[in-house]
Amino acid sequence: DQQVKQNSPSLSVQEGRISILNCDYTNSMFDYFLWYKKYPAEGPTFLISISSIKDKNEDGRFTVFLNKSAKHLSLHIVPSQPGDSAVYFCAASSGAGSYQLTFGKGTKLSVIP
Amino acid sequence: DSGVTQTPKHLITATGQRVTLRCSPRSGDLSVYWYQQSLDQGLQFLIQYYNGEERAKGNILERFSAQQFPDLHSELNLSSLELGDSALYFCASSETQGGRSYGYTFGSGTRLTVV
Repeated sequence: DQQVKQNSPSLSVQEGRISILNCDYTNSMFDYFLWYKKYPAEGPTFLISISSIKDKNEDGRFTVFLNKSAKHLSLHIVPSQPGDSAVYFCAASSGAGSYQLTFGKGTKLSVIP
Repeated sequence: DSGVTQTPKHLITATGQRVTLRCSPRSGDLSVYWYQQSLDQGLQFLIQYYNGEERAKGNILERFSAQQFPDLHSELNLSSLELGDSALYFCASSETQGGRSYGYTFGSGTRLTVV
């Protein structure tokens, strides 16, 4: 049973436009959420995180929104740049456990120049 | 360079064999995590060690085992290998048990191909 779901395997966006990547979760115990970016032949790298006590966190061009009632979070990238082309993983953890991260399957973002 | 070192980068071996994947965590990090990424799958949590002790187990097969040594490096042992074990194996580390603020730091992975 997948506890973290990224239902869009891929997304194409024009350079300069907004990229919106979505993630849904089912485990109500999750209270911390992260986004990772992964380039080919590299390991995932941390991008941005959000605690369940917040509904928005911003870092430069990247903003994560959390809707706890819908168990949904999204990552907005504005403006999108060709260097943002990568696979984006949504991850979640529970403070009640050993904090290991549960990952979604990822969304491949392609930013077209 | 993330600071997490995984060796080897690539490994090709036959079914039934045993391999050992090695991970050196980032300096100062006490927790080590192992993840498996198979084709079209997300990152599946295998096992976590904290300062030499096993902390959590995920979907790790009985044929797989791991340990963390006093110098904090970790090894993942995969035995009686099957074709389905072909995957990318990632090691990650964090300073505390959870890495709550910044998550984990990942290595670049070991690509295992079982033929």
